Amino acid sequence: GAGVSQSPSNKVTEKGKDVELRCDPISGHTALYWYRQSLGQGLEFLIYFQGNSAPDKSGLPSDRFSAERTGGSVSTLTIQRTQQEDSAVYLCASSLAFNQPQHFGDGTRLSIL
Amino acid sequence: ILNVEQSPQSLHVQEGDSTNFTCSFPSSNFYALHWYRWETAKSPEALFVMTLNGDEKKKGRISATLNTKEGYSYLYIKGSQPEDSATYLCASYSGGGADGLTFGKGTHLIIQP
Repeated sequence: GAGVSQSPSNKVTEKGKDVELRCDPISGHTALYWYRQSLGQGLEFLIYFQGNSAPDKSGLPSDRFSAERTGGSVSTLTIQRTQQEDSAVYLCASSLAFNQPQHFGDGTRLSIL
Repeated sequence: ILNVEQSPQSLHVQEGDSTNFTCSFPSSNFYALHWYRWETAKSPEALFVMTLNGDEKKKGRISATLNTKEGYSYLYIKGSQPEDSATYLCASYSGGGADGLTFGKGTHLIIQP
């Protein structure tokens, strides 16, 4: 069956531009997570969605970051006015429910010039 | 311990040898401990989700133990094979919200033929 799908796989953009990253979770998975991995760092938790509930956004690194999940399925992570420190691999994961094993997508490698 | 810490950072093991490595996590407000395997050019793959003190889980040649009172988990690999080469990540769940899931930086395991 289809796994977690993320697009684009790679994104190169200029500093100051906005970017939108997409995540398609596994069908039926109610929980969706966004993480990022900066060079030489571990996975950093960004935000978590459970079904249609409003997410807790306090894990997002700045107010330039926002995320939404429409209809309890597809999620988009938007970064406005990108900065070079935003360069990282952004990973999305989904799970059947909170605290079940997470299934990860292949990630979006974001490079800010 | 305020963060999730993994040791060693990297490990070289001869094919056929057994090995183990450690994950240390905050023992207060503990909810669950996850282990993932992350192979190069792939996405992280769930190995175990552990919640109970004294829990021991096994998947093939890989097993894990959990001590929630002292805040550590061991991952064991018996009879290492080249395909075991990967970064092994642990993540501690402290009960939800933006701080719910914190990953360690991983143990990078290289199996030498």
